[in-house]
Amino acid sequence: GENVEQHPSTLSVQEGDSAVIKCTYSDSASNYFPWYKQELGKGPQLIIDIRSNVGEKKDQRIAVTLNKTAKHFSLHITETQPEDSAVYFCAASWDSGGYQKVTFGIGTKLQVIP
Amino acid sequence: EAQVTQNPRYLITVTGKKLTVTCSQNMNHEYMSWYRQDPGLGLRQIYYSMNVEVTDKGDVPEGYKVSRKEKRNFPLILESPSPNQTSLYFCASSFAETQYFGPGTRLLVL
Repeated sequence: GENVEQHPSTLSVQEGDSAVIKCTYSDSASNYFPWYKQELGKGPQLIIDIRSNVGEKKDQRIAVTLNKTAKHFSLHITETQPEDSAVYFCAASWDSGGYQKVTFGIGTKLQVIP
Repeated sequence: EAQVTQNPRYLITVTGKKLTVTCSQNMNHEYMSWYRQDPGLGLRQIYYSMNVEVTDKGDVPEGYKVSRKEKRNFPLILESPSPNQTSLYFCASSFAETQYFGPGTRLLVL
């Protein structure tokens, strides 16, 4: 089955600095890579995603890159703000008999220090 | 407002006492799932459902049951809870690849 490794497990940055979270996956059948943000006391919420036929995607201060050959994908947050503090999950997803199965990473707790 | 709701949000119970966590979505999604979240382990899928009366095991189904009698509801049943089922539980519904998570249910089994 698919295995997703996520690093680091915790990350502290100064407000205004950039944050990078990295993930690797094992199964080349994975073709969709979402990132979820979980704020304290809430459920995860999709913030950005990328498909296997795209190398990079950007949405304002967040961007995701994908290296299919190396099976790596990363989340980049620029100009971090205190409201970016949360737990971030990467995931790898693939089609299995009409259902999109997904495996999540263990999560990265990001702290943005004002 | 499009949302996934779960009840209860917090639950303390004792070993062996059957419990049900309800989940409901108002987005007419066909797919629904249950996850548990544990420190250092991330989100792990317990069960999922592709449609009414169609359910299948996820990665950690032992000790859990589900049912999908209506499209909007997907309850999680613990017939005989044990302390190792103490966890934070999330229900999710999905459209295509995007999952919409509920607010979570924190369960403590004594």
